Amino acid sequence: KNQVEQSPQSLIILEGKNCTLQCNYTVSPFSNLRWYKQDTGRGPVSLTIMTFSENTKSNGRYTATLDADTKQSSLHITASQLSDSASYICVPSGGSQGNLIFGKGTKLSVKP
Amino acid sequence: DTAVSQTPKYLVTQMGNDKSIKCEQNLGHDTMYWYKQDSKKFLKIMFSYNNKELIINETVPNRFSPKSPDKAHLNLHINSLELGDSAVYFCASSHFTNSYNEQFFGPGTRLTVL
Repeated sequence: KNQVEQSPQSLIILEGKNCTLQCNYTVSPFSNLRWYKQDTGRGPVSLTIMTFSENTKSNGRYTATLDADTKQSSLHITASQLSDSASYICVPSGGSQGNLIFGKGTKLSVKP
Repeated sequence: DTAVSQTPKYLVTQMGNDKSIKCEQNLGHDTMYWYKQDSKKFLKIMFSYNNKELIINETVPNRFSPKSPDKAHLNLHINSLELGDSAVYFCASSHFTNSYNEQFFGPGTRLTVL
């Protein structure tokens, strides 16, 4: 059964600090993994997309890693800003139609 | 110049009613989707249309019927609304490929069934 588990469920950090969000998944077959940012009351916005052969990908202050062997991914946020407060969702995909399997997300709150 | 737009943003209605949610994308994509995000915050795909043809139809009650008049539009019609239909519904679009299939989401429609 396809599953995605993210940790922690929620996280509070001070502005300027770094943080790392974790994702474990069991999706078969697997083709790629993406991280989405979802602001409250908005639709998800893609941050990074990695295929199974990629180990790391950056998008500004966001750096995602992927270990397809252990089925783990992480999202590292550097020098957090207040606008980083949102839910971050890990989304592996696979299968012939590339179905996206959404995790529940980690709710990040950045405080001044 | 919103890329993926949905109307209405909020929808409050009584049980048993029939309602529609509209979605339009101006990205030139050939594939559109409907997702449901329930109170537990999981996003689950409901339908996917590629070039106006249904390609994904997850286990969704047949009270839900998508309609794609053209590649830029995918509307969702719901008959005989039930309390459990209360959720946020997201439309998305993409260029369908087997590799990335990057999807762009609309702002969501919050449906409340009383």
